[in-house]
Amino acid sequence: SQQGEEDPQALSIQEGENATMNCSYKTSINNLQWYRQNSGRGLVHLILIRSNEREKHSGRLRVTLDTSKKSSSLLITASRAADTASYFCATARLRDDKIIFGKGTRLHILP
Amino acid sequence: NAGVTQTPKFQVLKTGQSMTLQCAQDMNHEYMSWYRQDPGMGLRLIHYSVGAGITDQGEVPNGYNVSRSTTEDFPLRLLSAAPSQTSVYFCASSEDRGDYNEQFFGPGTRLTVL
Repeated sequence: SQQGEEDPQALSIQEGENATMNCSYKTSINNLQWYRQNSGRGLVHLILIRSNEREKHSGRLRVTLDTSKKSSSLLITASRAADTASYFCATARLRDDKIIFGKGTRLHILP
Repeated sequence: NAGVTQTPKFQVLKTGQSMTLQCAQDMNHEYMSWYRQDPGMGLRLIHYSVGAGITDQGEVPNGYNVSRSTTEDFPLRLLSAAPSQTSVYFCASSEDRGDYNEQFFGPGTRLTVL
């Protein structure tokens, strides 16, 4: 079974609005990562948050991690058309170093 | 640096045929992995390796073999292709530095099994 589960599965917002995606996972982790995938392309790493961190920023991205709830959120502020993509969370499991992906959130930015 | 390269980009096989998907990286990364991506399923881990000579199974290893004879190369072998293996396959690599392992992905191989 997959370690991470993103929520929602799909999200459509107006350009300029903020987009929030959530990820829940099942077992203890070393870190949690977020990736973006544009249609038909490979995955691009966005941000990594370690298990002992609670919040991290990178440009318009803000990631939070709550290890007690086994959940993370990705916030994209001031969305742009170019942010239209699928977003995946990936967890590096503590017990065996496996990096497991969720099913992703499809984000569509409306002009 | 070329990063992570995969060949071929596209492949069509008949049921029962075997083939090898190639993956190479030039970043001296210890950790390499293979994923398959199917619609609505995200990426599922097939096999991974934490260094040359060491491989382990992921979430969906059946029907696939891997080996890691060098740090650079991590080929994925389909032993007897089945239509259920129609998918897009991604290879990835990362440094194995404990709790820091951003993955770099190849462009993918789109495989169709008839």
